[in-house]
Amino acid sequence: AQTVTQSQPEMSVQEAETVTLSCTYDTSESDYYLFWYKQPPSRQMILVIRQEAYKQQNATENRFSVNFQKAAKSFSLKISDSQLGDAAMYFCASESSGGSNYKLTFGKGTLLTVNP
Amino acid sequence: EAQVTQNPRYLITVTGKKLTVTCSQNMNHEYMSWYRQDPGLGLRQIYYSMNVEVTDKGDVPEGYKVSRKEKRNFPLILESPSPNQTSLYFCASSLAGGPSEQFFGPGTRLTVL
Repeated sequence: AQTVTQSQPEMSVQEAETVTLSCTYDTSESDYYLFWYKQPPSRQMILVIRQEAYKQQNATENRFSVNFQKAAKSFSLKISDSQLGDAAMYFCASESSGGSNYKLTFGKGTLLTVNP
Repeated sequence: EAQVTQNPRYLITVTGKKLTVTCSQNMNHEYMSWYRQDPGLGLRQIYYSMNVEVTDKGDVPEGYKVSRKEKRNFPLILESPSPNQTSLYFCASSLAGGPSEQFFGPGTRLTVL
């Protein structure tokens, strides 16, 4: 079974600054995928970034990047040049590549506040 | 527009009154899934379906039923709702696993009194 831990229930950042959200995971799978989802007040789940575990290169999507440390089972999200629209709940999630269930295992979330 | 739709978006009901939350996707996705979101617990999978007529339990299936008679639809059925099923429910779909993005519906806020 997979587990995902987000140790920061809440974080805050000043507009235009950089913030890093932490995530650790545990899995017995040799191949898996990792994701960060954003949930704004509208409650819509929005995919921010994804990482294939077999890829050593860290994924990047515009102002969002990850620091993937496979040996440490760590998958942190860095948001650069934070904007007011980045304020949301952020969920880290994992998915094993094998089997018939593409279940996402979610952490409990980190609520990000962006201060003007 | 590619999307997953859910209805209703909000529902207040009473204990024991059967209800169905519908989910429909227009992307021809084979995989569909239901999650519930509770404060401090993240999202947990209820049921999933790999294809038409193929469904299986997720992590928290008790008190729920699903069906997959058509590829696009995956309704969630609560035959006798109880207050502990008060939650925010999400339907999701994807073409396949792995790097394929899972698309989420807008969520259904259910309150059982």
